[in-house]
Amino acid sequence: DARVTQTPRHKVTEMGQEVTMRCQPILGHNTVFWYRQTMMQGLELLAYFRNRAPLDDSGMPKDRFSAEMPDATLATLKIQPSEPRDSAVYFCASGPPRSADRTPLHFGNGTRLTVT
Amino acid sequence: QKEVEQDPGPLSVPEGAIVSLNCTYSNSAFQYFMWYRQYSRKGPELLMYTYSSGNKEDGRFTAQVDKSSKYISLFIRDSQPSDSATYLCAMGALFRSSNTGKLIFGQGTTLQVKP
Repeated sequence: DARVTQTPRHKVTEMGQEVTMRCQPILGHNTVFWYRQTMMQGLELLAYFRNRAPLDDSGMPKDRFSAEMPDATLATLKIQPSEPRDSAVYFCASGPPRSADRTPLHFGNGTRLTVT
Repeated sequence: QKEVEQDPGPLSVPEGAIVSLNCTYSNSAFQYFMWYRQYSRKGPELLMYTYSSGNKEDGRFTAQVDKSSKYISLFIRDSQPSDSATYLCAMGALFRSSNTGKLIFGQGTTLQVKP
């Protein structure tokens, strides 16, 4: 059963530290999304990629967040420096190629980040 | 105002009840609609998706879309304790629009089905 893999599952860090979250999309999928989930805001889209190229990162605070896809099997989301308000669950999702404009996304189980 | 509005609940029903979950949206560019189910400490998993107005049935689940009213619903018949989860609506625009492929989610409704 193919699935999106996210690491680490949990991360506790101190304010000001760099945090890197990793995602392995499902093999063959060419779209990758990063979402952040909090109780107050629900699921918010941070950034997404198609064929490794960033298409939209307007949901991401640019001064501290960065998202990349070094290759087709790895997507990363970095926060530097981290702040307590970044505490949330970060989800990666991937989707297959076209007819991908209507294709459902498959989610990983998330990275639960706590910044103290 | 958010593009997608969903009552967060919580919603508590007895086993066997019919459950109705709803979302409204404001962006007429949304053309495809999905429902995801999320168990505690897990990622959302796709439950149903549809592209057109009307009803789509899958077992105990029925998804309903009314594009003229910008309103979608998910009905669960004969609800079971295992249906207890958070249900999120999601929607997206067509391929040629500027927000291609991007899903916008509702807040999620927490459902508890009591035995």
